[in-house]
Amino acid sequence: QSVLTQPPSASGTPGQRVTISCSGSSSNIGSNYVYWYQQLPGTAPKLLIYRNNQRPSGVPDRFSDSKSGTSASLAISGLRSEDEADYYCAAWDDSLSGWVFGGGTKLTVL
Amino acid sequence: EVQLVESGGGLVQPGGSLRLSCAASGFTFSSYAMSWVRQAPGKGLEWVSTISGSGGSTYYADSVKGRFTISRDNSKNTLYLQMNSLRAEDTAVYYCAKHSGYSYGENYYFDYWGQGTLVTVSS
Repeated sequence: QSVLTQPPSASGTPGQRVTISCSGSSSNIGSNYVYWYQQLPGTAPKLLIYRNNQRPSGVPDRFSDSKSGTSASLAISGLRSEDEADYYCAAWDDSLSGWVFGGGTKLTVL
Repeated sequence: EVQLVESGGGLVQPGGSLRLSCAASGFTFSSYAMSWVRQAPGKGLEWVSTISGSGGSTYYADSVKGRFTISRDNSKNTLYLQMNSLRAEDTAVYYCAKHSGYSYGENYYFDYWGQGTLVTVSS
């Protein structure tokens, strides 16, 4: 059972906008940054979003995030087939003094 | 280009031991904290352990404390994870991950990951 809660699956058609939610608590999302990672099939996780909607070099601006209270969301606009992957949220947890992750959301592009 | 290459995974019996290695390149290894994160089959990611850039500070998840030991050799740009008293629930792909800074805490997120090495604990 992961500390952060994500829906197990999401889907959309090419060009559509999809969102993936991540729910936590006051000790993690409620008080710290949320990070998003993309894991393409058979590859290592890759940092997608960090520290309030910042993107590493090479990550398109189709990816964005938002946070409200103890929940966060990753939005992908202009969905493309290459976006089909697993997406994970992560945050520091003040109570655990450690990093916690969501269970992951498998995104399918129909 | 940052590269992290794990090795040392395999099949081990319950109660056995295994040592994982992670060869790093493309950055000043000693300047960054490093972690191990695992992913059990069909499950999400779980942080396992972190070591500071100098190796002087280490941190462990409760699930592995007392059984796993993280270490690093900055002269060889290599991270290690010694795993003892292995249990079936330790079965997972183990990823080596680089932090964004020298230490451990909220300010030092995971910015690069290796491809992972599979550890299977079974009789």
